[in-house]
This record gives sequence, C-alpha cells and structure tokens, in this order.
Amino acid sequence: NAGVMQNPRHLVRRRGQEARLRCSPMKGHSHVYWYRQLPEEGLKFMVYLQKENIIDESGMPKERFSAEFPKEGPSILRIQQVVRGDSAAYFCASSPWRSNTEAFFGQGTRLTVV
Amino acid sequence: AQTVTQSQPEMSVQEAETVTLSCTYDTSESDYYLFWYKQPPSRQMILVIRQEAYKQQNATENRFSVNFQKAAKSFSLKISDSQLGDAAMYFCAYRGPMDSNYQLIWGAGTKLIIKP
Repeated sequence: NAGVMQNPRHLVRRRGQEARLRCSPMKGHSHVYWYRQLPEEGLKFMVYLQKENIIDESGMPKERFSAEFPKEGPSILRIQQVVRGDSAAYFCASSPWRSNTEAFFGQGTRLTVV
Repeated sequence: AQTVTQSQPEMSVQEAETVTLSCTYDTSESDYYLFWYKQPPSRQMILVIRQEAYKQQNATENRFSVNFQKAAKSFSLKISDSQLGDAAMYFCAYRGPMDSNYQLIWGAGTKLIIKP
C-alpha cells in the first residue's frame, strides 16, 4: 500500500505563472488536507477536501489559490499568477475518514518562485 | 483559538544521551489529541508519538516518550539513547475533538542536533 504521493517534489515557477501541485492519497483514503510550510515555521492548514467536495477552505488565500479532489484522479492545489511569497513547501495528508485522528503525510512539494 | 508553542528553536544532545523537547498549547477543549512529528531532511513528516487527552497515562514508543501535563497544557517529548538518525526537525501538533476540529495546529518546530 503506497503512501501519500505528491508530485512534483520540486517546482520552479516564474512570477505570474501557474503552479499545479498533485496529491494522490493512500489507497482507500477519501479525505485530503493541504498544508503550507513557510521557512522556519510549522505547517499551516489550507484546505480540507473529500471526493468532489471542498469541506473547509478557511486557510486558503481568497485569491489565486484553488483546490479540487475529483472523483477520479489526484487532488490538485492550483496557484495562479504566483508571487515570491508563495515560495514554500506544500504538504498533502490523507485519512480514511473525517474523524480519524491520524493523517498520513506526503513528502511535500517545494515551490520556488523566481 | 488554539495555539501551539515550541520555545526551543534548536537543541543539541550527545549521542546515547537523553534529550527533552518542550511544547505548550492553549485550548478550551477538554478532549483533544496531541502529536509529535519528525521531519528529517527528506522533508517527509513522520508521526513519532500521539497522546489522547482523556488518557492519563503518558504515551511511549520505544525510545520516545511524552510527559503530558493536562492542567499545565504541556506536552514534552523525551528521546532516550539518542541516535544519529534522530537528527531532524520535531514538530508538536494539536488536533481538536474527534469529528469536529480536524485541522492540525502546529508549533514552529525544534531542530534537534545529535553530536557523535
């Protein structure tokens, strides 16, 4: 049973471009969480999704950021018109159900905006 | 709002010695969950140990144990017989009651250095 898979591991984008980060949850997991980690800081919650539904996006910036978790395929975190401040590590975690107290993390995608 | 504080940005310990990492948190809930995660240079977030607030007994996992002081809202991690492979960032995290606050609230982390 493969763990949570995130790709790419490293992504470099120029200012103004779009960044697409992918997360394939563990098999049998239908709940996905995205977190952002800025340098020298802990993780900050961004969004929580179930298949085809956004449950809580309270941690997501109102503009330029969006997330989806389609019925088929990975969850996608999309950042439009990236700026230098978007440079961070983005982590995805998955769990089998909402009340599960343990989430399994991917290795993250490090986004660098140049 | 819940907060998690790790007051030690960096700690170092001699190999085979014992080290304790501190974590305090703030919450008005009585039922919650606390975690310690390890993040090595590979960046993978690895669960080290977890504690349910309703359990009085401190959790242990091999060389890792916690000192959970609910009244003081303190949750420290003790690593015994430190090994070179323990070198990593360690994060303390809080989760609210089951089936409600599913978000993890994180501390800023403590960098643990193991001296050979």
